[in-house]
Amino acid sequence: GQSLEQPSEVTAVEGAIVQINCTYQTSGFYGLSWYQQHDGGAPTFLSYNALDGLEETGRFSSFLSRSDSYGYLLLQELQMKDSASYFCAVRDRRDYKLSFGAGTTVTVRA
Amino acid sequence: ETGVTQTPRHLVMGMTNKKSLKCEQHLGHNAMYWYKQSAKKPLELMFVYSLEERVENNSVPSRFSPECPNSSHLFLHLHTLQPEDSALYLCASSQDVGDQPQHFGDGTRLSIL
Repeated sequence: GQSLEQPSEVTAVEGAIVQINCTYQTSGFYGLSWYQQHDGGAPTFLSYNALDGLEETGRFSSFLSRSDSYGYLLLQELQMKDSASYFCAVRDRRDYKLSFGAGTTVTVRA
Repeated sequence: ETGVTQTPRHLVMGMTNKKSLKCEQHLGHNAMYWYKQSAKKPLELMFVYSLEERVENNSVPSRFSPECPNSSHLFLHLHTLQPEDSALYLCASSQDVGDQPQHFGDGTRLSIL
């Protein structure tokens, strides 16, 4: 099976940079995804890394190191609307299931 | 309509009731999923369907019964639920099983009295 670890909470001020780390253990890694979920809303897809390196999409970037079983989501120029929960998720090659971490609650203060 | 739509948004039921959750996707996807989300816990995959055939059943109690009549619709039939079943139930779809991204509905907030 898989296990994922990410911090439970992060608080930062508007305009700051936040990095959410995710470490995973899996028997057959295929890719690492990140999802955002606002309170009471649907999880929405942010990014997917199958290869090592940094993927940038606007203010958000995602990084993967397969040799370290580690990835992170970088949130830049934080805005109040970025207050949400962020989940990392690993796709297992063997059965193609997506396993989620418990989520990191990001709170952005004025 | 676009995306993934779930009804109802909220449901309160007694332990002896029977109810059904509905999910509809308008994305032309072949795979659909049911997840359970409890507070401070990871999303738990319950069922996976690919082209109307169940491909995954994650040891879910039989009081949860899924149904996929076609590739656009997914139901979760509920019967004799327990208080610990109170949670947010999320439906998702993807082009094929395991593909990213998965598109989620807003979920059904279920409360068992």
